[in-house]
Formats: sequence, structure tokens, C-alpha cells
Amino acid sequence: NAGVTQTPKFQVLKTGQSMTLQCAQDMNHEYMSWYRQDPGMGLRLIHYSVGAGITDQGEVPNGYNVSRSTTEDFPLRLLSAAPSQTSVYFCASTLGYGTSGVEGELFFGEGSRLTVL
Amino acid sequence: GQQVMQIPQYQHVQEGEDFTTYCNSSTTLSNIQWYKQRPGGHPVFLIQLVKSGEVKKQKRLTFQFGEAKKNSSLHITATQTTDVGTYFCAGPGTGFQKLVFGTGTRLLVSP
Repeated sequence: NAGVTQTPKFQVLKTGQSMTLQCAQDMNHEYMSWYRQDPGMGLRLIHYSVGAGITDQGEVPNGYNVSRSTTEDFPLRLLSAAPSQTSVYFCASTLGYGTSGVEGELFFGEGSRLTVL
Repeated sequence: GQQVMQIPQYQHVQEGEDFTTYCNSSTTLSNIQWYKQRPGGHPVFLIQLVKSGEVKKQKRLTFQFGEAKKNSSLHITATQTTDVGTYFCAGPGTGFQKLVFGTGTRLLVSP
């Protein structure tokens, strides 16, 4: 049971470099999302997607890009890394969402710890 | 935008003591979820509450959704060292297709 798989687990970047955090799920979930977690600030939503070809912004989208070409994959791209993007990134997916919001359990990946120097 | 605040930010208890964390939203929520994150781990779903005034129990954990659906609480009876971690509440954000997390309460339990 793979669930939600994130790669890489750790990454160190220099300011200005770009990179992609990969996220894949094998549960046929339509809804996928990316969060970042910083000390004392909880989990903040970066981008989310409700299906292939559909993405939207969360609370803190600046500096990040996403695409959803398949149901399974939802990569997060850092266009030009900045020290403020040093964080732990979590990908999450769920089967349940609707007009009342996310209505089902979010399944999280194990996280990707990114350091930008 | 919608805000979900949790108090306290941090609590340190002796094993066997009770613990409560409170979650308050600036808007009415259609539902609220609770997650637990162990140190170094990822958030894991605990429960979802939907109805006004709803109370659910999972062994030593009691979850409550306020009558006005703007607040919620998680109470742990007789804490154990295995309860250590950060507890988050989460509710639908503006536009409904988002899940907004509270700031979390970090629980430390000493044996």
C-alpha cells in the first residue's frame, strides 16, 4: 500500500535555483494538495487540484507552480528558490470533497524537507 | 480570509494528567477535522465532526463540535507518552475546496 509518495525527502538548494517536488498517489483520488509547514505556523495550503487539468491557489501560492496532467501525479515546482521557501512540504490527497469543502480524510505523504541557502 | 486558531500553542503534562486543545474559527464551519502529527512525522487523520453539538469518542480521546459550529475541542483523558505530538484542527476554507489548518497544539508528556 504505497498511498501518497513524495520525493525527494531532503533537498538543499542555492538561492535562485529551481526544482520540482514530486507527489504521486495510487488511491485514485481526484483531490490533491500541497502544504508547507513552518514552526509555529501550522500547515499552510500552497496549491490544490480537484482533478486532472484543474488547479487552484491556496493561501501561499507565490513562488510555486503546479500542474496536474494525470490523476496520480501532482508536482510542485519552485521557480527561483528563496531562503523564505525553506520549509517542510507535504503533499496530501483525498477522495472526499464537495460543495461543503473537503469532506474526507486527507492522506499525507511523508514530507520533503527543503533548505534554501 | 478564514482563520482557524488553536490554543494553547504548547502544553507539557505529566503522564496521567488530562489535556485539552481548543480550536476557534472566524466563520461557521460545515465540518471540522482533527489530525495528529508525531515528531518528525506527517499528519494523520483522527476524526471528522459534522453536526452542531456533536461529540465523538475514540478510547481516551473526546472530540466536540460547538453548537454554533465555530469551535471545537479535543480532550485526552489520562495522557500517555504515546500521545506526544502536535494536534491540528482543520476546516473548509473560502471557496470550500480547500482545507485550512489551525496553528496546532504541541503536547509533551513526561513519564
